[in-house]
Amino acid sequence: GAGVSQSPSNKVTEKGKDVELRCDPISGHTALYWYRQSLGQGLEFLIYFQGNSAPDKSGLPSDRFSAERTGGSVSTLTIQRTQQEDSAVYLCASSLVLLAGVLGEQFFGPGTRLTVL
Amino acid sequence: KQEVTQIPAALSVPEGENLVLNCSFTDSAIYNLQWFRQDPGKGLTSLLLIQSSQREQTSGRLNASLDKSSGRSTLYIAASQPGDSATYLCAVSPDNTDKLIFGTGTRLQVFP
Repeated sequence: GAGVSQSPSNKVTEKGKDVELRCDPISGHTALYWYRQSLGQGLEFLIYFQGNSAPDKSGLPSDRFSAERTGGSVSTLTIQRTQQEDSAVYLCASSLVLLAGVLGEQFFGPGTRLTVL
Repeated sequence: KQEVTQIPAALSVPEGENLVLNCSFTDSAIYNLQWFRQDPGKGLTSLLLIQSSQREQTSGRLNASLDKSSGRSTLYIAASQPGDSATYLCAVSPDNTDKLIFGTGTRLQVFP
């Protein structure tokens, strides 16, 4: 089937505006992750969803960042009151949990390039 | 705190060479290790996943090894081709968590 898809592919916004980024995981994958990739920081984890468990939000850089996953499938990452330092490529990944405690490969989407002016 | 380092940061080789990319991590308590490639302006493509109980994985011209106790992994690319040019990233999943912690990457250029 199709891979992980993300939209939009590019987003340019003005400082202070809110943005929403969308991720469609691979069908049947129960785990969903958000990462961001910026020039100064490399690739860093943001948030993780697995089934009906409470999400792991430990990587969110501030309370301006939030994410939700509806119906165990599509996820939206929201950044409120965007700042220039939020400019980065936001990557979504999904994976199967093969057995209790055994993690499968993470498959990544193409990313959303966010530019905050 | 887990830190992942990749050496070299950049590598340029002629077509046909066999090469080794190195990845080291500071905390040996990992669940698995994954190698990716990233082409400019694109997302990540998974290459190989090694579970913590495994020593190596192979896929075509790629072979990845894992020495968990010493905190090292290597990605071996045989008979390199210009199409192998990309940035190669290794990432570890810390024990009991599901996030990936990424290395800094090795930018590979294979010239004809």
